[in-house]
Amino acid sequence: QVQLVQSGAEVKKPGSSVKVSCKTSGGTFSSYAINWVRQAPGQGLEWMGRIIPVLVTANYAQKVQDRVTITADESTTTAYMELNSLRSEDTAVYYCARGRGGGDAFNVWGQGTMVIVSS
Amino acid sequence: DMQMTQSPSTLSASVGDRVTITCRASQSISNWLAWYQQKPGKAPKLLIYDASSLESGVPSRFSGSGSGTEFTLTISSLQPDDFATYYCQQYTSYLFGQGTKLEIK
Repeated sequence: QVQLVQSGAEVKKPGSSVKVSCKTSGGTFSSYAINWVRQAPGQGLEWMGRIIPVLVTANYAQKVQDRVTITADESTTTAYMELNSLRSEDTAVYYCARGRGGGDAFNVWGQGTMVIVSS
Repeated sequence: DMQMTQSPSTLSASVGDRVTITCRASQSISNWLAWYQQKPGKAPKLLIYDASSLESGVPSRFSGSGSGTEFTLTISSLQPDDFATYYCQQYTSYLFGQGTKLEIK
């Protein structure tokens, strides 16, 4: 059974960066997309970007594409999302989610990582 | 820009009711649509993919239909565990709808 386990909560200052990890266990890593989705407090879901580890190249949402970098390490089956130039509006729970293949709905989710941006 | 519009934003219903949530895409997305359920403090859970395919382990009272620009999620007989927020998502650009909160009447 595939599981995604994310790194712990972070508190960051405005203007700094955060890097969240997402480790895959129990299944194939390289050929399935890992997506990053965030949810601000009381708000809906926002897709940020994705990577298929074997392809290396990531795709990003236009809103965050200038500040986000998604990478994957096949040797440790871990994906990473780094967000730069943090603002208070980036305060959110960040989820990684695995595509199911084919059309690529997200069928396995990490537990979420709370990132708080505050001075 | 692609937009996904869910309705209603809030839905009040009782156990045993049949409920329908609608999701409209601003342009055709074929059947590239998923439905998720989210409970407070938890990650979303995939219910339906490819507009009408039931994810493994999801109760059969959940069903999805539609293609092109208009889609529906139907719960045939609400159970206490179904009160949650539901999101549609198109996976051409991975945009989510704004969510529908299903509340107990």
